[in-house]
Amino acid sequence: GENVEQHPSTLSVQEGDSAVIKCTYSDSASNYFPWYKQELGKRPQLIIDIRSNVGEKKDQRIAVTLNKTAKHFSLHITETQPEDSAVYFCAARIQGAQKLVFGQGTRLTINP
Amino acid sequence: NAGVTQTPKFRVLKTGQSMTLLCAQDMNHEYMYWYRQDPGMGLRLIHYSVGEGTTAKGEVPDGYNVSRLKKQNFLLGLESAAPSQTSVYFCASSVDRARRVDTEAFFGQGTRLTVV
Repeated sequence: GENVEQHPSTLSVQEGDSAVIKCTYSDSASNYFPWYKQELGKRPQLIIDIRSNVGEKKDQRIAVTLNKTAKHFSLHITETQPEDSAVYFCAARIQGAQKLVFGQGTRLTINP
Repeated sequence: NAGVTQTPKFRVLKTGQSMTLLCAQDMNHEYMYWYRQDPGMGLRLIHYSVGEGTTAKGEVPDGYNVSRLKKQNFLLGLESAAPSQTSVYFCASSVDRARRVDTEAFFGQGTRLTVV
């Protein structure tokens, strides 16, 4: 079945710097890759997603890149702010199976 | 439009007791999922459903059962609770076939379950 590996597990950056979180997936049939942000004590919420027919997608300070050949995708946050501190999860869904499998999560801390 | 609602929000069980977690969604979504979240383990899929009357096993199904008798509800049952099932449980739903749009997964607020 699908397996998603996420790195790093924790990440600390200075406010204003960029943060990058990377995920790899195992099943080449995966076609949908969302990223979720979970603030302390709250539910995960979608921040950006990308489909397999696109290599990059950007939304203001957040971007996601996808390398289908290498089976990895990354989240890039630029000009980080204190409110970006949270746990971030990547996920992958296999076309047809509709299971949504998550990575282990990255705890991002923005230092003022 | 409440989205995805989970009941209860908190629960403490004794080992061996049973309980049912209820997930309800009002977005006409076809797919529903149950995940458990443990520190350092991310969100692990327990069971999921792609439509009313259908269920399937996820990554960690042992010790849990599910039912999807109505499209809007997805129930997660623990027949004989064990301390290893202490976790935060999240329900999620996605996909509105009537709109033919592949939507994001929306999560409930979570249920914190402690088994002592």
